[in-house]
Amino acid sequence: DTAVSQTPKYLVTQMGNDKSIKCEQNLGHDTMYWYKQDSKKFLKIMFSYNNKELIINETVPNRFSPKSPDKAHLNLHINSLELGDSAVYFCASSTEAAYEQYFGPGTRLTVT
Amino acid sequence: AQSVTQLGSHVSVSEGALVLLRCNYSSSVPPYLFWYVQYPNQGLQLLLKYTTGATLVKGINGFEAEFKKSETSFHLTKPSAHMSDAAEYFCAVIAHGNNRLAFGKGNQVVVIP
Repeated sequence: DTAVSQTPKYLVTQMGNDKSIKCEQNLGHDTMYWYKQDSKKFLKIMFSYNNKELIINETVPNRFSPKSPDKAHLNLHINSLELGDSAVYFCASSTEAAYEQYFGPGTRLTVT
Repeated sequence: AQSVTQLGSHVSVSEGALVLLRCNYSSSVPPYLFWYVQYPNQGLQLLLKYTTGATLVKGINGFEAEFKKSETSFHLTKPSAHMSDAAEYFCAVIAHGNNRLAFGKGNQVVVIP
């Protein structure tokens, strides 16, 4: 049983397109996150939701919009994709009380 | 805001030798500290964590780390490197009461046979 899953694993698309990445966790956690890992492996938080409420919204272009339909799901929609959006995007989850975060396998996005 | 410094992006170690990865943090409040490992084309896996209590913490795969408040450090060690330890290692910090996990830039560990 995969604890945190993401789809798709790979996403290749052209500039200007709109795409979504889906994330699901079956750990019963109430907080979920999106991170971006750039080509130098640097990880930066983008968004965090707690019980479907947005609690962290870092300086991210508003072309990126997270959506949490329920506690177990956090999706990331990206409009008008740009070359600089190419990266690996990780979803993670945690409980509110504990701070360790459990990561999904990542989605490698390539914009051509 | 909290931050993490990991020096030396690439670390080469001989098989059987000591693995030492350094991590220094800054935090205005007591921190929670983590080490994560990322194998090629995979997500991050928690190696170990420090929250409160014993300052020497043991993790998976024979790794351990020691929290030293006076040195603001949380260095990761393993007595004897194995080929399977080749991966990217990230130190991370959360300030208590804050769920923003701040990562260091990572260390890519190469194990030489």
